[in-house]
Amino acid sequence: GQQLNQSPQSMFIQEGEDVSMNCTSSSIFNTWLWYKQEPGEGPVLLIALYKAGELTSNGRLTAQFGITRKDSFLNISASIPSDVGIYFCGMQGAQKLVFGQGTRLTINP
Amino acid sequence: DTGVSQDPRHKITKRGQNVTFRCDPISEHNRLYWYRQTLGQGPEFLTYFQNEAQLEKSRLLSDRFSAERPKGSFSTLEIQRTEQGDSAMYLCASSLSPPGNTIYFGEGSWLTVV
Repeated sequence: GQQLNQSPQSMFIQEGEDVSMNCTSSSIFNTWLWYKQEPGEGPVLLIALYKAGELTSNGRLTAQFGITRKDSFLNISASIPSDVGIYFCGMQGAQKLVFGQGTRLTINP
Repeated sequence: DTGVSQDPRHKITKRGQNVTFRCDPISEHNRLYWYRQTLGQGPEFLTYFQNEAQLEKSRLLSDRFSAERPKGSFSTLEIQRTEQGDSAMYLCASSLSPPGNTIYFGEGSWLTVV
């Protein structure tokens, strides 16, 4: 089956620090998606990547679709308290979206 | 609000009872998905519809679970004879068919079976 590994599982950082997380896949997919989920809510789409090598920004967030099409990373610059949450990568095939295990981000003010 | 909406947001039920969740997708989206998420885990795929046709079902979808999308618009997910292990958040999502098929999620329906 499709394997998607996301790391790290959790991060504890100081406000203002930069954050980096990544996902690797055992399969090649055409679309990488990054979501953020807050407690009791559904995942909210942050960034969608459609081409190998693509680098896309959304405010302080930057994500890249790896050249091999088997990996992606998400960076958050100058973290603020509202960045707290769980970040999920997802690989989207023709039929469905498969999620990574999530990276839980905790920020100390 | 033109996003994916789910109802109810929270449901507490006794073991053995039946429950039904409703999902209204983004209006022009022809694909609708159901996912299940337990605490500390990522969402897990259950099933999806293309218009009114149910095209794929996960092995997680036991025979106590049934999903419908009778007119290709809203969908319902019914769980019969609920068990404590069914306690989870049930997420609905929708998208257009490929290639413009970024998936957007609703806020989820929390189920607690006591």
